[in-house]
Amino acid sequence: LAKTTQPISMDSYEGQEVNITCSHNNIATNDYITWYQQFPSQGPRFIIQGYKTKVTNEVASLFIPADRKSSTLSLPRVSLSDTAVYYCLVGAPINNAGNMLTFGGGTRLMVKP
Amino acid sequence: DTEVTQTPKHLVMGMTNKKSLKCEQHMGHRAMYWYKQKAKKPPELMFVYSYEKLSINESVPSRFSPECPNSSLLNLHLHALQPEDSALYLCASSQVSRGFDNEQFFGPGTRLTVL
Repeated sequence: LAKTTQPISMDSYEGQEVNITCSHNNIATNDYITWYQQFPSQGPRFIIQGYKTKVTNEVASLFIPADRKSSTLSLPRVSLSDTAVYYCLVGAPINNAGNMLTFGGGTRLMVKP
Repeated sequence: DTEVTQTPKHLVMGMTNKKSLKCEQHMGHRAMYWYKQKAKKPPELMFVYSYEKLSINESVPSRFSPECPNSSLLNLHLHALQPEDSALYLCASSQVSRGFDNEQFFGPGTRLTVL
């Protein structure tokens, strides 16, 4: 499974755009890139997933360069409630066995007023 | 219903006790998972069930015994645990190998304390 590297922590202010970059140099051809968010004492929550180029949903955008060795999660106009740990994961589903998620260290985002 | 429920929310047990954690989902997912999460650490995968059969065991000690009695329920039986097993135990579920959209839905977890 590809290993991911993210900044340990980041600070931001309300209303700013936050970009969290994840490095995954040994990503495999079949691997997808997925981001999860986790609040204290809660289970992680899926944010976004992509394979290449750009993916956007109602809460975030995911930018993936052509070589796929890194990816950037972009959170537009963060609020205090976006304070959480953000995990970047790289992997592929296993046929008839669900999918294995190997969580990296995660990035603790602190949004300040 | 996109919710995974876990009971109990908190559990305190002695090292000689036997207890069980329960997880339930009604999303029709046929893959279910147990994770262990220590404080300020990422979740670590323990077990994966696919179509009610154990498909992945991440070298978990035998004092943890998973069980999947039907497609909606997942149990984790605990026996003779050690204090270092104290952690947040998370259950999750997902579709089985649909490729791109294998989002895992996590429950809120059971906070386990072993005395």
